[in-house]
Amino acid sequence: NAGVTQTPKFQVLKTGQSMTLQCAQDMNHEYMSWYRQDPGMGLRLIHYSVGAGITDQGEVPNGYNVSRSTTEDFPLRLLSAAPSQTSVYFCASRTRRQNQETQYFGPGTRLLVL
Amino acid sequence: AQTVTQSQPEMSVQEAETVTLSCTYDTSESDYYLFWYKQPPSRQMILVIRQEAYKQQNATENRFSVNFQKAAKSFSLKISDSQLGDAAMYFCAYRRYNQGGKLIFGQGTELSVKP
Repeated sequence: NAGVTQTPKFQVLKTGQSMTLQCAQDMNHEYMSWYRQDPGMGLRLIHYSVGAGITDQGEVPNGYNVSRSTTEDFPLRLLSAAPSQTSVYFCASRTRRQNQETQYFGPGTRLLVL
Repeated sequence: AQTVTQSQPEMSVQEAETVTLSCTYDTSESDYYLFWYKQPPSRQMILVIRQEAYKQQNATENRFSVNFQKAAKSFSLKISDSQLGDAAMYFCAYRRYNQGGKLIFGQGTELSVKP
């Protein structure tokens, strides 16, 4: 199993540009989430999904869109990048089965918006 | 709303010694999970230990153990026999029982280990 994969690893954008951060998992996990990590603030939830076709907002959703057309993929779209979106982005997944509480994280995508 | 607070931005420990990282949280829920994650310089998030709120017994994983005080809403991590490889950022996290992917993280504590 590759686990949770994210692409790209690093990206530089200009203000106003759009892009999609890719996330995929091969563990057939129902739950998937996107977090951003900023210095001194820990990780904050952007959007999450409990299954294909179902998404909901987290703590900091503004400026981001998500969709979940398959169980495996959960892309995060930046519609019009802003310098405030400079951050490290993590995708995570876990199974809905009880007593299997481990959340698996991808390696992260570092985004710099100029 | 639930919150998680780590009041120690940085901690330092001598190799082979013991160190305790603090975490407090606020919730009105009775069923939830608490986690400690380690983030080394590679940025990979690694689960260290987890605690179910309904369990009175403190969780342990080898050199890592927790002190879970439910009434005080406190969840500290003790690292025994510290090793150089323990140097990392440590995050405390909370999740409600029925909220599958929604972790709430503390601000993190950066642990350095001195040889």
